[in-house]
Amino acid sequence: NAGVTQTPKFQVLKTGQSMTLQCAQDMNHNSMYWYRQDPGMGLRLIYYSASEGTTDKGEVPNGYNVSRLNKREFSLRLESAAPSQTSVYFCASSTRGQAIYGYTFGSGTRLTVV
Amino acid sequence: AQKVTQAQTEISVVEKEDVTLDCVYETRDTTYYLFWYKQPPSGELVFLIRRNSFDEQNEISGRYSWNFQKSTSSFNFTITASQVVDSAVYFCALSEAPSGGSYIPTFGRGTSLIVHP
Repeated sequence: NAGVTQTPKFQVLKTGQSMTLQCAQDMNHNSMYWYRQDPGMGLRLIYYSASEGTTDKGEVPNGYNVSRLNKREFSLRLESAAPSQTSVYFCASSTRGQAIYGYTFGSGTRLTVV
Repeated sequence: AQKVTQAQTEISVVEKEDVTLDCVYETRDTTYYLFWYKQPPSGELVFLIRRNSFDEQNEISGRYSWNFQKSTSSFNFTITASQVVDSAVYFCALSEAPSGGSYIPTFGRGTSLIVHP
């Protein structure tokens, strides 16, 4: 089925460990985004990639890095996980000019850092 | 400054009641886009509606309706005859003119709607 696929769905990390969250879309979208969702805080943008080969910081980029591997894939890396990074992470995509038509979201990754 | 305010953190209603979710936004742009998303208990985010700043017509889709009023910077969402399946967190979002060529929506903090049978 067409859409945005995130892996893994769940992850528990120890403080200081690193990991990469994977995101892939098969809709030929140009733009991809990473958000985190925390209780009472809504969705906050971490990083985005307006097009292949570009990435930009969002509202809460500290502690994260991203890679736009190709047009389909956009990964989020935590180099040294901290308990404050416990959250639900969502990847989203849109056709650049059609971000105005709304995002397509992945199903989310629930990350716990202990 | 928060650009999208959803002042209602949680709303609880009984099935068949009508309920309105409020969204107030802030922008200096004349061209912007407003959205509503639904997040049911399963966790996925579902796009519901988009409205651009030049179209103030209200919209109705089944039991859902949206009231866009530029004069009050509001984009409210009403569910008529609510059902248990409407229980979810609802997010309002605003996209302003692109910065560096990309529309990036800002989301409100969400309103949790609980519909009791």
